[in-house]
Amino acid sequence: AQSVAQPEDQVNVAEGNPLTVKCTYSVSGNPYLFWYVQYPNRGLQFLLKYITGDNLVKGSYGFEAEFNKSQTSFHLKKPSALVSDSALYFCAVRDGPGNTGKLIFGQGTTLQVKP
Amino acid sequence: DSGVTQTPKHLITATGQRVTLRCSPRSGDLSVYWYQQSLDQGLQFLIHYYNGEERAKGNILERFSAQQFPDLHSELNLSSLELGDSALYFCASSSPGQGGNGYTFGSGTRLTVV
Repeated sequence: AQSVAQPEDQVNVAEGNPLTVKCTYSVSGNPYLFWYVQYPNRGLQFLLKYITGDNLVKGSYGFEAEFNKSQTSFHLKKPSALVSDSALYFCAVRDGPGNTGKLIFGQGTTLQVKP
Repeated sequence: DSGVTQTPKHLITATGQRVTLRCSPRSGDLSVYWYQQSLDQGLQFLIHYYNGEERAKGNILERFSAQQFPDLHSELNLSSLELGDSALYFCASSSPGQGGNGYTFGSGTRLTVV
């Protein structure tokens, strides 16, 4: 079965510093990986995806993620954190055939950016 | 506004009761997915419907059921409610060509069982 793991419950960074939110995956076959963000009392918003191609994926709000096949990782990164980036971040893998497979989510990582 | 509409936004009900949560997918999307988000279990996949047919089931309790109607809206029915059913329930939608882009989520229904 496909799965993802987010080893950190919380990540704290200072505004202006780079941030990394970690995700590792376990899949059979080619991974279809996603990052979502959830702000308080809101639904999940799509940030970026990796399907095939370049290992560095760029997404919304200045975020990017690096796919590393040898380390089975898909870490979310941003060169300079903003206080407004503080939110709950989920890594996900698609499980199922075609384009309609369900998403399996990690446990989530709370990002706290301090001024 | 994501285009996925969930009603009601909040629901408070007593143990043993039954509730129905409603989801209208984004226009043109054929798939509807239901998820439960709780503090201890994280985001759990419940069930997936595609164009009216059930496609996949997750850890959905027998007390829970769902369906997708011809107009593609979906309902999640929760019965014999227990305190532990208190959670945020999300639906998400996608179309076949956009599955690779992930899914569009609604803002959720917060269920509180007292």
